[in-house]
Amino acid sequence: GQQVMQIPQYQHVQEGEDFTTYCNSSTTLSNIQWYKQRPGGHPVFLIQLVKSGEVKKQKRLTFQFGEAKKNSSLHITATQTTDVGTYFCAGLGDYGQNFVFGPGTRLSVLP
Amino acid sequence: SAVISQKPSRDICQRGTSLTIQCQVDSQVTMMFWYRQQPGQSLTLIATANQGSEATYESGFVIDKFPISRPNLTFSTLTVSNMSPEDSSIYLCSVSRGVNQPQHFGDGTRLSIL
Repeated sequence: GQQVMQIPQYQHVQEGEDFTTYCNSSTTLSNIQWYKQRPGGHPVFLIQLVKSGEVKKQKRLTFQFGEAKKNSSLHITATQTTDVGTYFCAGLGDYGQNFVFGPGTRLSVLP
Repeated sequence: SAVISQKPSRDICQRGTSLTIQCQVDSQVTMMFWYRQQPGQSLTLIATANQGSEATYESGFVIDKFPISRPNLTFSTLTVSNMSPEDSSIYLCSVSRGVNQPQHFGDGTRLSIL
């Protein structure tokens, strides 16, 4: 079945540094979503990517969908302590019925 | 986005008992899902709750252990039956307006079994 992997598992950065998490799927994806979960909170939808090579920006966050539609990345510029949390990607396979969540990348930001 | 109310927020239960978790949405939604999340882990889909029919379960989850109801487009319940310590987890409901649409999650139910 479809598998979604994310690296790194953990990332500790100093406030102001950049951060990137990578998401890879074992199969081609029709679309991919990104979620953020704060400690003690529930996942919150950030964005959805559908087109090959698509790039979307939300303030300091940049999301990219790979040309082959099997990988994606989330880049945060100049991290802030409010960025702390776990970032999950979730992919929907071409023939999938439901999104499969990756294991997540836990981001810590040191002030 | 939809406002989702999930109850209870947490519970401590005895081994062998059952607990029913409720998920109420403030508007009609097409799809409702139930997930399990172990602390520090990812989300695992238990089942899709189908309105007026039996839920669609993912591999490793069965109806006898996790019966689900969805009597209308705004409400669903998940029962965790005959609980054991291995069932200690966070259970989350989510809703979306379609297969390719964003999911919105409830606050979750933190369940501990003694």
